[in-house]
Amino acid sequence: RKEVEQDPGPFNVPEGATVAFNCTYSNSASQSFFWYRQDCRKEPKLLMSVYSSGNEDGRFTAQLNRASQYISLLIRDSKLSDSATYLCVVNREAGTALIFGKGTTLSVSS
Amino acid sequence: GAGVSQSPSNKVTEKGKDVELRCDPISGHTALYWYRQRLGQGLEFLIYFQGNSAPDKSGLPSDRFSAERTGESVSTLTIQRTQQEDSAVYLCASSLNPLAVSTDTQYFGPGTRLTVL
Repeated sequence: RKEVEQDPGPFNVPEGATVAFNCTYSNSASQSFFWYRQDCRKEPKLLMSVYSSGNEDGRFTAQLNRASQYISLLIRDSKLSDSATYLCVVNREAGTALIFGKGTTLSVSS
Repeated sequence: GAGVSQSPSNKVTEKGKDVELRCDPISGHTALYWYRQRLGQGLEFLIYFQGNSAPDKSGLPSDRFSAERTGESVSTLTIQRTQQEDSAVYLCASSLNPLAVSTDTQYFGPGTRLTVL
């Protein structure tokens, strides 16, 4: 089983749609969880950290379920500029490298 | 403040040549990471530095790959006798304090695109 698994998509949605991405991780000892965004031929950029209590940043909501080892990202009112690859990222333990999922590609059309 | 910078941004080399890739982390960040991303693929971890030491080199694909960090700042990734399969974007990231959950977020540089002919 891969350490971090994501549905690769692509997800093709119209502007204004709500879209949800899911991610599972295999190591129950993982401590830090993130969603990164990567635009074509660009470096990954932090979108948001994911906390146990769930967190929201504008149109973006992230949830963590430690019992199920599951992370989600919800994007409401999708914009054209949201088109990118969304990477689910887990840090096995403090002081180690990030483990990246392969990413989920989102394409928002007008 | 300045982010993570990498140089060169693009490097084209011939098979068999050695290349050096440079990373300047965010000032004050104690940890530095190298990753590789082949075209259309996910990110692969290569090596991690805490200060000038490398506690985790597990991702280096062969002994042709080496890296060093000096002054708890700049890092150089060296690939000897390059092969065509080394062609990829090499990304560097740094984090403030990887030993605390609240400060272990990694910030990436723009990458070096390496093409081996």
